[in-house]
Amino acid sequence: EPEVTQTPSHQVTQMGQEVILRCVPISNHLYFYWYRQILGQKVEFLVSFYNNEISEKSEIFDDQFSVERPDGSNFTLKIRSTKLEDSAMYFCASSARAVDEQFFGPGTRLTVL
Amino acid sequence: QQQVKQSPQSLIVQKGGISIINCAYENTAFDYFPWYQQFPGKGPALLIAIRPDVSEKKEGRFTISFNKSAKQFSLHIMDSQPGDSATYFCAARRRSNYQLIWGAGTKLIIKP
Repeated sequence: EPEVTQTPSHQVTQMGQEVILRCVPISNHLYFYWYRQILGQKVEFLVSFYNNEISEKSEIFDDQFSVERPDGSNFTLKIRSTKLEDSAMYFCASSARAVDEQFFGPGTRLTVL
Repeated sequence: QQQVKQSPQSLIVQKGGISIINCAYENTAFDYFPWYQQFPGKGPALLIAIRPDVSEKKEGRFTISFNKSAKQFSLHIMDSQPGDSATYFCAARRRSNYQLIWGAGTKLIIKP
């Protein structure tokens, strides 16, 4: 069964460093998403991406964040200068159409020291 | 701000019992209400979902009850099993942009 994959599973970084989280969505899906889950808290929407453009973003997704689809398979989230409060699980999701079920990857745990 | 409120935060149920998790939403701008199941170290996975024109949906041991006038919906797990132990999230999808608004999650433990 096709699935969303994410790498790395755990990333530890120093405050102020740049990190890139990688996702490979399901191959025939066209809509891509990033969500964040701070430990013990709710899942929060960050951004949605379609046709090589951001279609929606939340107030969390400020200038420190960017997304990119560098090739036909990867979808990345970059945090330019990490802060302690960026420590969270980051989930990538994809769907065939905007109205369809979103399938989630296993997440990347980001720890900012 | 559109909110989805979920309760309880945690729940312990005996094997074979019924687990009930409740959610409430604050406005009518949602068109789809999914429940996600999340095991430790994994991403959320869709368990069951309902649209607001239906009052109940059942899939195996899992049932969603939906009360549109009260803006509430709940997940019932019948004959709860230890393998059901997980965190459950309700969510509501915005009609305008399909964005999911999530509840805070319920950690369910089924005691053998």
